[in-house]
Amino acid sequence: GDSVTQMEGPVTLSEEAFLTINCTYTATGYPSLFWYVQYPGEGLQLLLKATKADDKGSNKGFEATYRKETTSFHLEKGSVQVSDSAVYFCALSSPNTGNQFYFGTGTSLTVIP
Amino acid sequence: DSGVTQTPKHLITATGQRVTLRCSPRSGDLSVYWYQQSLDQGLQFLIQYYNGEERAKGNILERFSAQQFPDLHSELNLSSLELGDSALYFCASSPDMPGNTIYFGEGSWLTVV
Repeated sequence: GDSVTQMEGPVTLSEEAFLTINCTYTATGYPSLFWYVQYPGEGLQLLLKATKADDKGSNKGFEATYRKETTSFHLEKGSVQVSDSAVYFCALSSPNTGNQFYFGTGTSLTVIP
Repeated sequence: DSGVTQTPKHLITATGQRVTLRCSPRSGDLSVYWYQQSLDQGLQFLIQYYNGEERAKGNILERFSAQQFPDLHSELNLSSLELGDSALYFCASSPDMPGNTIYFGEGSWLTVV
């Protein structure tokens, strides 16, 4: 069945460091891919998404490219800030499975000054 | 503000008791999802309703049940509560179309004592 695998955390980085959080997926057909972020004490909110191969989603300095050949959707940011400390979830949704959402296990990021 | 409203935000109850969590989806969204988030289990999909009908079922215990009403709001009923049911319960909604985003409420914190 459809699934998402993302790198385990926690990840600790210094401010202004480069961030990569890996995400790979298994799906039939052509899923849409998402990154959600959960700040402490809050619900999950959409960070970015891509709906077809080679699309790049971007928001708040974060980027992820939908790579069908490697079934990946890695999240990157060139220079992280303390305010980026949160848990990041990769997810997919496919019309082949009734637009069900499948979430990864989440990666906790802490950015230290 | 995602537009998804959950009540109550916090509740504390004793083992063996029953509680009801309520969710109002975003205006126009036909799909409602329920998730459980705990420290040791991560984000677990419980159940999805679409326009009043059960669409998909995940790791939902038999002690738990849900329904979606004609006005599209949903309730999650948790009964015979155990200490291990203490968690953050999220409701989410979406228009349920390919590529559409799922929007999360802020969650209901349940503590079973």
